Amino acid sequence: RKEVEQDPGPFNVPEGATVAFNCTYSNSASQSFFWYRQDCRKEPKLLMSVYSSGNEDGRFTAQLNRASQYISLLIRDSKLSDSATYLCVVANTGGFKTIFGAGTRLFVKA
Amino acid sequence: NAGVMQNPRHLVRRRGQEARLRCSPMKGHSHVYWYRQLPEEGLKFMVYLQKENIIDESGMPKERFSAEFPKEGPSILRIQQVVRGDSAAYFCASSLGQGNTEAFFGQGTRLTVV
Repeated sequence: RKEVEQDPGPFNVPEGATVAFNCTYSNSASQSFFWYRQDCRKEPKLLMSVYSSGNEDGRFTAQLNRASQYISLLIRDSKLSDSATYLCVVANTGGFKTIFGAGTRLFVKA
Repeated sequence: NAGVMQNPRHLVRRRGQEARLRCSPMKGHSHVYWYRQLPEEGLKFMVYLQKENIIDESGMPKERFSAEFPKEGPSILRIQQVVRGDSAAYFCASSLGQGNTEAFFGQGTRLTVV
């Protein structure tokens, strides 16, 4: 089993749609969780951190379920500019390693 | 505060040559990660370094690849005797903490082996 698994997609959605991504992780001792965004041929950039209580930033909502070992990202009212690859990231302080999922591709169409 | 700086941005090498990729972390960051990304694929962890120490190199190929992060100067990812399959984007990231803080990425070095 991979340490971090994501549905690779692609997700093709119209503008204004709501789309959700899930990510599962295998190490129950994982400490920190993030969602990164990567545009084509660019470096990944932090989208948001994920906290146990869940957090929201505008149209984006991230949630963590420690019991089931998954995190999610919800994007509401999708924009064309949301088209990118979304990377699930899990950091293990014990292992001193940050693990990136393979990414989920999102295409938002007019 | 400059971000993570990688150079060169693009590197072309002939088969059998050596490739040296450099990464200067953000100021104050002492944790450096190297990742490889093949076309149309996700990021693959290669190695995690702190100053003068390799913490985890479980993602590094056993041969031809090496990495260092000296006390002074940038981190170096070195690929000896490159082959076409080494062509990829190599990203470096740095963080302040021991994996529980966000990592900031450089713009990557795109290696092409001809």
